[in-house]
Amino acid sequence: SSELTQDPAVSVALGQTVRITCQGGSLRTYYASWYQQKPGQAPVLVFHGKNNRPSGIPDRFSGSSSGNTASLTITGAQAEDEADYYCNSRVNRLSHLGVFGGGTRVTVL
Amino acid sequence: EVQLVQSGAEAKKPGESLKISCKASGYTFTDHWIAWVRQMPGKGLEWMGIIYPGDSDARYTPSFQGRVTISVDKSINTAYLQWTNLRASDTAFYYCARQDRSHDSTIDFWGQGTLVTVSS
Repeated sequence: SSELTQDPAVSVALGQTVRITCQGGSLRTYYASWYQQKPGQAPVLVFHGKNNRPSGIPDRFSGSSSGNTASLTITGAQAEDEADYYCNSRVNRLSHLGVFGGGTRVTVL
Repeated sequence: EVQLVQSGAEAKKPGESLKISCKASGYTFTDHWIAWVRQMPGKGLEWMGIIYPGDSDARYTPSFQGRVTISVDKSINTAYLQWTNLRASDTAFYYCARQDRSHDSTIDFWGQGTLVTVSS
């Protein structure tokens, strides 16, 4: 399947931990990448691959994967982490095309 | 520093044509695939297609095949997205984005986005 499924919304208390999940058949073969998008801004890559955090991304962002599910965890959520988060993975080995999940809105309370 | 700078906002009428651009700098343009991503108002991200500037090999997500054309001019490090018959439903932000060299279709850099508004 080329679809990725995310929960539409989650909330987290300031300083607590939140896990965002992404499910799809392609995740059995390919790692997910995760993007943060704040209102009026372009998305930003926050985690990708087995264990890769781009330069400048706080280490409170981490990722994991098991079977057909990938997860992004924010440990000690901050007010500035309130945003939409999207997962993405490759569709198949013949194509460089990817597919995004529907996005998860994270609210920091 | 890798940068993708997109052309400015456009306001068009249904049936008109449009070509928007994405100028890359800070890396070897022909080494990375460039993707185009649509975001309709209040909605999520959608892959439209991708192109390899080295040989102009372009691929499209099925729902966008035949609706848009992706091209490049590698002499000026620029990728393009074009329409020949705009519809009101094409109103959206369009992002160009660079794909990294992993096997997972990771996008590592994004343009700032171009807002296309189609209205009569």
